[in-house]
Amino acid sequence: DAGITQSPRHKVTETGTPVTLRCHQTENHRYMYWYRQDPGHGLRLIHYSYGVKDTDKGEVSDGYSVSRSKTEDFLLTLESATSSQTSVYFCAISDMNLTDQETQYFGPGTRLLVL
Amino acid sequence: AQSVAQPEDQVNVAEGNPLTVKCTYSVSGNPYLFWYVQYPNRGLQFLLKYITGDNLVKGSYGFEAEFNKSQTSFHLKKPSALVSDSALYFCAVRALYGNNRLAFGKGNQVVVIP
Repeated sequence: DAGITQSPRHKVTETGTPVTLRCHQTENHRYMYWYRQDPGHGLRLIHYSYGVKDTDKGEVSDGYSVSRSKTEDFLLTLESATSSQTSVYFCAISDMNLTDQETQYFGPGTRLLVL
Repeated sequence: AQSVAQPEDQVNVAEGNPLTVKCTYSVSGNPYLFWYVQYPNRGLQFLLKYITGDNLVKGSYGFEAEFNKSQTSFHLKKPSALVSDSALYFCAVRALYGNNRLAFGKGNQVVVIP
């Protein structure tokens, strides 16, 4: 999985609690992304980062925040978890170089269940 | 905004037969096009991409895809399917000039029957 780890891999939480998911990369790639995967929807972009402390919203950003204090880590926080945020969350990375040409590479995913 | 359509939820094919997974796209300007595969309980794995050049792109595991600009399509093909090709396949697109956000299709479940 291209030097990308996600933690935790599985989490069960209760409605209303904050949750933070971590994505860690060892590739020194500039861009990092958070997606959620739900049946019938494919992957939808939540937030992405184009550098340390530089982030932007994706198509389903409500209820989520992110932070990137260093190149290798990108954190996704569910401020107050709801059942609609039960999903599988994927982190991805990419870079602008001749070899990869902005291909996104994905982590193994975090399965989140909000009760 | 860019978008991808993968019209078939599931594709069934007999082992040894040709496999085709369909993808059409919508984007302003020239596209970057990608195919990914997802095995159960795993992340997405990159298969191949089209950026410029030859319309026929070859990728991992014997897969190839043909870019057709007039039909705005990027169908994934494999001449002889294996049982191990059974997985979920995603097509994705982004504009060549613009932000680097990818738009994904909903995915196609491929079932290769022994």
